[in-house]
Amino acid sequence: DTGVSQDPRHKITKRGQNVTFRCDPISEHNRLYWYRQTLGQGPEFLTYFQNEAQLEKSRLLSDRFSAERPKGSFSTLEIQRTEQGDSAMYLCASSLYQGRYEQYFGPGTRLTVT
Amino acid sequence: AQSVSQHNHHVILSEAASLELGCNYSYGGTVNLFWYVQYPGQHLQLLLKYFSGDPLVKGIKGFEAEFIKSKFSFNLRKPSVQWSDTAEYFCAVNAGGGSQGNLIFGKGTKLSVKP
Repeated sequence: DTGVSQDPRHKITKRGQNVTFRCDPISEHNRLYWYRQTLGQGPEFLTYFQNEAQLEKSRLLSDRFSAERPKGSFSTLEIQRTEQGDSAMYLCASSLYQGRYEQYFGPGTRLTVT
Repeated sequence: AQSVSQHNHHVILSEAASLELGCNYSYGGTVNLFWYVQYPGQHLQLLLKYFSGDPLVKGIKGFEAEFIKSKFSFNLRKPSVQWSDTAEYFCAVNAGGGSQGNLIFGKGTKLSVKP
C-alpha cells in the first residue's frame, strides 16, 4: 500500500509530557498537511508544507506545537507540555501541487492526554 | 472567515431511499469543492471533487454532487442508498482555487442506512 501512513496510531500520555507523531506521505506528493479532528467536528487545518518549506500555520497551532519536514519527505508534529485539550485525532494528508489537486488522508494518530 | 455548513448532523434512511446532504460555504471567490467519506473504522476517503466546468460531478459508488454558484452550495446526492453507505460525510472547500493550501471542512453528516 502506497498511501499516507502515520505512526503511532494511538498515543496515551500524561499531561505535561511531550509527544511526537510521524507522517509519511505518498512518495511523489510535494505537499503535506496536518489537521486535527475532535469528536463531532470536521478536521481543522493546522499547518502545511510544500517540500520542506512550512508555508502556512493556523492560529490553532499554539507555541507548544511544532512541525517539521526536514528533507521534504516525512514530517513530524511535536506537542510539548501536553494538555487535556490536546486530546484529538491528528490527521496527515498529502497532495501534489499542480493547481488542481486532492488531498489524500492517512489513518490518523489518536492522542489521549490523561 | 471562510466556513462550511452542513445542515444535517444525522440522517437515517432505509435502503433504497434517496439521499441529499446539504453543504453551503462562505467564500466569494474561486473555490475547489470536495466531499469526503469516512466509513466506520476507516480513514477519510475522497468521494468526489469539483474544480471547474460541468457543475454536476459524479463520484465513486453512485454519488454525485451539484455546484450551484449562486447559492454557494455543493449538495451531495445518491438516488438509492445501500446499507454499505453508512458512514460520515464531510464537505470541504479549498478557497482561492488551490492557491491556498488548506481545506475547510464542515462538521460532517452521519448517515445511517437501515437494512
